[in-house]
Amino acid sequence: GNSVTQMEGPVTLSEEAFLTINCTYTATGYPSLFWYVQYPGEGLQLLLKATKADDKGSNKGFEATYRKETTSFHLEKGSVQVSDSAVYFCALKLMIYNQGGKLIFGQGTELSVKP
Amino acid sequence: NAGVTQTPKFQVLKTGQSMTLQCAQDMNHNSMYWYRQDPGMGLRLIYYSASEGTTDKGEVPNGYNVSRLNKREFSLRLESAAPSQTSVYFCASSEDLILRENTEAFFGQGTRLTVV
Repeated sequence: GNSVTQMEGPVTLSEEAFLTINCTYTATGYPSLFWYVQYPGEGLQLLLKATKADDKGSNKGFEATYRKETTSFHLEKGSVQVSDSAVYFCALKLMIYNQGGKLIFGQGTELSVKP
Repeated sequence: NAGVTQTPKFQVLKTGQSMTLQCAQDMNHNSMYWYRQDPGMGLRLIYYSASEGTTDKGEVPNGYNVSRLNKREFSLRLESAAPSQTSVYFCASSEDLILRENTEAFFGQGTRLTVV
């Protein structure tokens, strides 16, 4: 089946540290890949996406590259801020002809950034 | 723009009671989804609807029913609530036009449901 696996949290970093959150996927077709972020008490917001192999998604200093050979989509940021504290979700989506697309999430990784 | 609107925001039910969670989107999206979020489990898909009049089961459909009333609205019903259904429920929608690349999903603010 289709699934997403993320590194377990919580991840605690000091401000300006380098961030990596690992994400690997299993899919029967050629999915699009997404990172969503959830701030406390809110719904999920799209952070970045990549729709095909070797694409790099980027937004707000975060980056992730779609690696088909390793079925991975790791999230990175060079220098985190306290305001980046949130839960991060990796997700995949497979379009099924005439049936729309199922969006499947990993379990989420909580990030806490200390001043 | 309102985006995706869920009601209610909070609800407490007694075991065995029924209720319907409402969701509406104003973006003319084709696909709509219901997820539940539990600690350590991420978001699990309950049901989704690719278009008006169609619905399909997700990972955890047992104990739930859905209705895609029209293109805007997608409701989730608990016929006989159980404590295991205590969770935060999120509705989402996405455009999903055929022959276009996968589009992002937009989420509502969530409904926090407690079953006692």
